[in-house]
Amino acid sequence: DGGITQSPKYLFRKEGQNVTLSCEQNLNHDAMYWYRQDPGQGLRLIYYSQIVNDFQKGDIAEGYSVSREKKESFPLTVTSAQKNPTAFYLCASSSIDEQFFGPGTRLTVL
Amino acid sequence: GESVGLHLPTLSVQEGDNSIINCAYSNSASDYFIWYKQESGKGPQFIIDIRSNMDKRQGQRVTVLLNKTVKHLSLQIAATQPGDSAVYFCAETGAGNNRKLIWGLGTSLAVNP
Repeated sequence: DGGITQSPKYLFRKEGQNVTLSCEQNLNHDAMYWYRQDPGQGLRLIYYSQIVNDFQKGDIAEGYSVSREKKESFPLTVTSAQKNPTAFYLCASSSIDEQFFGPGTRLTVL
Repeated sequence: GESVGLHLPTLSVQEGDNSIINCAYSNSASDYFIWYKQESGKGPQFIIDIRSNMDKRQGQRVTVLLNKTVKHLSLQIAATQPGDSAVYFCAETGAGNNRKLIWGLGTSLAVNP
């Protein structure tokens, strides 16, 4: 099956710890994206990558980092510098305009 | 820093009625528009899209209308069903923003049986 996978589905972290969220796609898409969604709100762009080994900050990049070493993978690290990391994180990929989304990871900071 | 967003507007309809969800977009240079449906706890799913050279596009039970004069986009759902209950997002993109999607706030649709 072609698609985007995110793991884990639920993630718990203690304050002060870094945590990495996985995103993998087998759609052969060049572009990949990370969004944050807070309860009852829309999507906010954290980082995006339009090609391997290149990525750009989105609207709320502070406290996050990414890498794009492979076309299929775009992991997101939530660092201890992110002051309010509890949220639903969505990864997407696209070839032209339409974005395809993964199932999301719900991160909770204890 | 991060800002607290507004909470989603809600549209409540009776099962079987038609639903109309509206969206105002910001960039007159945008040339592609898309509607997504997001069910609780899941990622958004594509519903329908439209390019700026069209005014209307129909899918199965859904129609998207584009009014470029007033920068307005609408999604019409015919014979709304309980399974249509979700949050609906519009998004726009164009060459001027590296083809990133610019997302609308979203509308929560509640279908009453």
